[in-house]
Amino acid sequence: AQTVTQSQPEMSVQEAETVTLSCTYDTSESNYYLFWYKQPPSRQMILVIRQEAYKQQNATENRFSVNFQKAAKSFSLKISDSQLGDTAMYFCAFNNDMRFGAGTRLTVKP
Amino acid sequence: DTGVSQDPRHKITKRGQNVTFRCDPISEHNRLYWYRQTLGQGPEFLTYFQNEAQLEKSRLLSDRFSAERPKGSFSTLEIQRTEQGDSAMYLCASSPWGGLDGYTFGSGTRLTVV
Repeated sequence: AQTVTQSQPEMSVQEAETVTLSCTYDTSESNYYLFWYKQPPSRQMILVIRQEAYKQQNATENRFSVNFQKAAKSFSLKISDSQLGDTAMYFCAFNNDMRFGAGTRLTVKP
Repeated sequence: DTGVSQDPRHKITKRGQNVTFRCDPISEHNRLYWYRQTLGQGPEFLTYFQNEAQLEKSRLLSDRFSAERPKGSFSTLEIQRTEQGDSAMYLCASSPWGGLDGYTFGSGTRLTVV
């Protein structure tokens, strides 16, 4: 079985600060892709960042970066210089079984 | 291309009625996925297609649910004899083969069963 676990149901951060969202997964596969998606309130899901498991270098997209620890099966998302528009549900996902984590609700406070 | 389109955006139905939702994926995408999402929860996988072939169906999906993608383009999701527990957001997503670049989601169809 393959599972994706997000252990932080809710988090908050002050505007301009940095926050890290956690995700762990379980798989027996050696090659796979991991994703973080953002779902703003009442808006559609969009892809934030992706990581290829065979690449050791952590993916970065502007203010968003990941800390990928393959041996630990950990895939955390770091948001730097948080903005009010980052307020959303964030979901970790795994392409091999198309499953999503339960999500972390992030609130950025002014 | 205008992205993934879902119709209708909202549907209110009486318990026991049948409903059908439509999804139009990005035209170059040969994979199409259906998910169900309840408030505050993550998307729950229902089924997916590669072209017109339905390759996987969740064990959570009862026999009241059926999905089709007859020509490998748009897809429909039908729920027969709706129950109040079917009330949720139904999300459609598409991707190129393998989903390696992630999925593009539609805005969803919100179903309310009264």
